[in-house]
Amino acid sequence: QKEVEQNSGPLSVPEGAIASLNCTYSDRGSQSFFWYRQYSGKSPELIMSIYSNGDKEDGRFTAQLNKASQYVSLLIRDSQPSDSATYLCAVFQGAQKLVFGQGTRLTINP
Amino acid sequence: GAVVSQHPSWVICKSGTSVKIECRSLDFQATTMFWYRQFPKQSLMLMATSNEGSKATYEQGVEKDKFLINHASLTLSTLTVTSAHPEDSSFYICSAPGQFGGYEQYFGPGTRLTVT
Repeated sequence: QKEVEQNSGPLSVPEGAIASLNCTYSDRGSQSFFWYRQYSGKSPELIMSIYSNGDKEDGRFTAQLNKASQYVSLLIRDSQPSDSATYLCAVFQGAQKLVFGQGTRLTINP
Repeated sequence: GAVVSQHPSWVICKSGTSVKIECRSLDFQATTMFWYRQFPKQSLMLMATSNEGSKATYEQGVEKDKFLINHASLTLSTLTVTSAHPEDSSFYICSAPGQFGGYEQYFGPGTRLTVT
């Protein structure tokens, strides 16, 4: 079982709709969770962090965390073509390092 | 957040030569920096943790004699790929932790290495 798992996609969403990205992790002791956005040929950019169960909203982005289910998600409301990118889920684990999922490629169709 | 720069942004070298990549934290002093490698269509793989004033901590399977890391100061870490081979061609990205003690990391723009 991979430490951090994401559906690689591609996930296609029409412009204006909600994009839902999911991530599961194996280390039950993990406490810190992050979502990064990576455009093709560029380095990852931090867009959300979440540490407590529940929802955290920042603009059009909402991160959701359920530690009991070891599940993290990212919702993007009113999706725009500029949101087309690969989204990486990252989990900070007890070994003091950030472990990344393989990323979900998201395409927003105009 | 943190602002991290890398130099060069891309480099082409011949097989057998060495290449040095610099990573700088521009707005705060980072005692720890991280080096990642990313192959096309794959996720980031942590190579090593760079520690100011002490030896780097390498991940399993990463050759420490091939990938030399030096954390020369609180704002500069360097990665030297020694005796590069075509299979070392990749996107190398460094990161620094948030300056306020959180566990998030902020990435530099990356260096694309091509070994011919």
